[in-house]
Amino acid sequence: SAVISQKPSRDICQRGTSLTIQCQVDSQVTMMFWYRQQPGQSLTLIATANQGSEATYESGFVIDKFPISRPNLTFSTLTVSNMSPEDSSIYLCSVVLIRSDTQYFGPGTRLTVL
Amino acid sequence: KNEVEQSPQNLTAQEGEFITINCSYSVGISALHWLQQHPGGGIVSLFMLSSGKKKHGRLIATINIQEKHSSLHITASHPRDSAVYICAAPMYSGGGADGLTFGKGTHLIIQP
Repeated sequence: SAVISQKPSRDICQRGTSLTIQCQVDSQVTMMFWYRQQPGQSLTLIATANQGSEATYESGFVIDKFPISRPNLTFSTLTVSNMSPEDSSIYLCSVVLIRSDTQYFGPGTRLTVL
Repeated sequence: KNEVEQSPQNLTAQEGEFITINCSYSVGISALHWLQQHPGGGIVSLFMLSSGKKKHGRLIATINIQEKHSSLHITASHPRDSAVYICAAPMYSGGGADGLTFGKGTHLIIQP
């Protein structure tokens, strides 16, 4: 298994500001993903974080709004830019370990935008 | 792109009852995930299965790859089983390296 930490665990932010969420894993992983869960909704994949190259975004998500970095095999960041109340969500990172197909989820970051 | 349907959306049962949650998906996959989400939002992976049946304590998951259908069963349910149960499938080609697409979840409440 993997131990995944996310920082911050929660935050309250003002409209128009940006927040960077960190995801750290204690093992080397092949894949890292970022998901969003808006209130009352199911989880939605934002993007796949690729090591050393640009992330792969799903339809409806763009790099200018959700820039992602993945400098190495165990760390990634997601920035929520120019926030609005509609960005209030839980943001989760998940990973797939080397030689495994199972996805492990981080504890999530609960974001509230006022 | 895979589409995942789950039922029921809400389920309230008495302690001790046998619980069944169903999941169907549209694209052939290599494995399906069952997840549990507690009120605080944390998600725990319960099962990843590609065929047959898996059991962990009072939880049993089954999958029929040909029918693109999976079920999650809870035997001797207990109030601590109250949570949202979510099934998830690979989004595209069905490989393990895919991001997941999720069902809407089943909100389960077990009353004492």
